[in-house]
Amino acid sequence: DVKVTQSSRYLVKRTGEKVFLECVQDMDHENMFWYRQDPGLGLRLIYFSYDVKMKEKGDIPEGYSVSREKKERFSLILESASTNQTSMYLCASSPGQGKGGDTQYFGPGTRLTVL
Amino acid sequence: AQKITQTQPGMFVQEKEAVTLDCTYDTSDPSYGLFWYKQPSSGEMIFLIYQGSYDQQNATEGRYSLNFQKARKSANLVISASQLGDSAMYFCAMRTDRGSTLGRLYFGRGTQLTVWP
Repeated sequence: DVKVTQSSRYLVKRTGEKVFLECVQDMDHENMFWYRQDPGLGLRLIYFSYDVKMKEKGDIPEGYSVSREKKERFSLILESASTNQTSMYLCASSPGQGKGGDTQYFGPGTRLTVL
Repeated sequence: AQKITQTQPGMFVQEKEAVTLDCTYDTSDPSYGLFWYKQPSSGEMIFLIYQGSYDQQNATEGRYSLNFQKARKSANLVISASQLGDSAMYFCAMRTDRGSTLGRLYFGRGTQLTVWP
């Protein structure tokens, strides 16, 4: 079974803090993704990565950065957390083009609260 | 532009009955994939079923089936014999197969399904 893990289920941070959200997958997937989910807005793509050290902006990259130094790990960084970044953050991975439908598998999510 | 529309914010079904959740999509690409995910109150997104745009037959996975009507650009999820544990938010999503957006998913807003005894 594919397993995607996220470092925390719940996280509380203060405005201005630097926040790291970690995501690890154990299936040697090529692609990894970070989304945020807010009521009424659905899932929105922040960043994604096709390979180590590669990254692509999604729909709402402002205020975020990412790092992918190893294939299995994709980190989301909030350089200076703000209250409007309070949200549910979901990480996902997928095998890559042409592989089993390239289905994305999700981690359990991190509920981040910025005070 | 890629777009997914789920017109039913909420649906109710009695236990053991079948229910259909609607999804329409819009794309000009000939190759794409369609997915359904379930999100219980715990928050995790659970993959349910996948349909490729070139697949001739409708996908089935246990009690889930995907009613794929390509000409109408619809990909409805059918859940047979509903169970109380099916109560959750359900998302339809489409994967693009070309260009700089290769592999990313576009999600609908979701349908909240409630199964009552």
